[in-house]
Amino acid sequence: AQSVAQPEDQVNVAEGNPLTVKCTYSVSGNPYLFWYVQYPNRGLQFLLKYITGDNLVKGSYGFEAEFNKSQTSFHLKKPSALVSDSALYFCAVRDRTNAGKSTFGDGTTLTVKP
Amino acid sequence: DAGVIQSPRHEVTEMGQEVTLRCKPISGHNSLFWYRQTMMRGLELLIYFNNNVPIDDSGMPEDRFSAKMPNASFSTLKIQPSEPRDSAVYFCASSPDFTNQLFFGEGSRLTVL
Repeated sequence: AQSVAQPEDQVNVAEGNPLTVKCTYSVSGNPYLFWYVQYPNRGLQFLLKYITGDNLVKGSYGFEAEFNKSQTSFHLKKPSALVSDSALYFCAVRDRTNAGKSTFGDGTTLTVKP
Repeated sequence: DAGVIQSPRHEVTEMGQEVTLRCKPISGHNSLFWYRQTMMRGLELLIYFNNNVPIDDSGMPEDRFSAKMPNASFSTLKIQPSEPRDSAVYFCASSPDFTNQLFFGEGSRLTVL
């Protein structure tokens, strides 16, 4: 079975400060890892993914994430937060051995204060 | 491309009524997913299809829920009879393959009175 854990329900940071949203995963095969963002009353939007290769992946809006196989983690980061980054963030995992099933974490609400 | 299209965007119905939610995936995508989002349970996977075939429906809450994908361009999620606890936002998403992200629709907000 595959699973995703986002240990923080809420992350608060000041504008201009770096941010980190944490994610750990469990899969039986090689993980395909994703981050999505959701704004109020909207569907989820893709931010970035790790499939293979460089452990540091860059995505939309200045976000990046680091894949750590030994810690089974895929934390989302941004060097300098913006107020407009405030939203709900989801980590997700797909696994070829599960016929592409996509499992999401519970989500983390990011609030960036001016 | 128009993206994943869901209808209706909002539905208000009374307990006991049948509800049908519709989804048109992005052309060429071979996987389709139905999720339900609530404050209490977060984002739950209900069922997903590969090449129009249901792969895993273990997330479907109970027999009142059913989903079909008669062809590559259309899927339905039906609730019969509906109950107030079914009130949620239902999302449809499609994906071209395992290594790609899911493309989500804007959701169908269901309220059962």
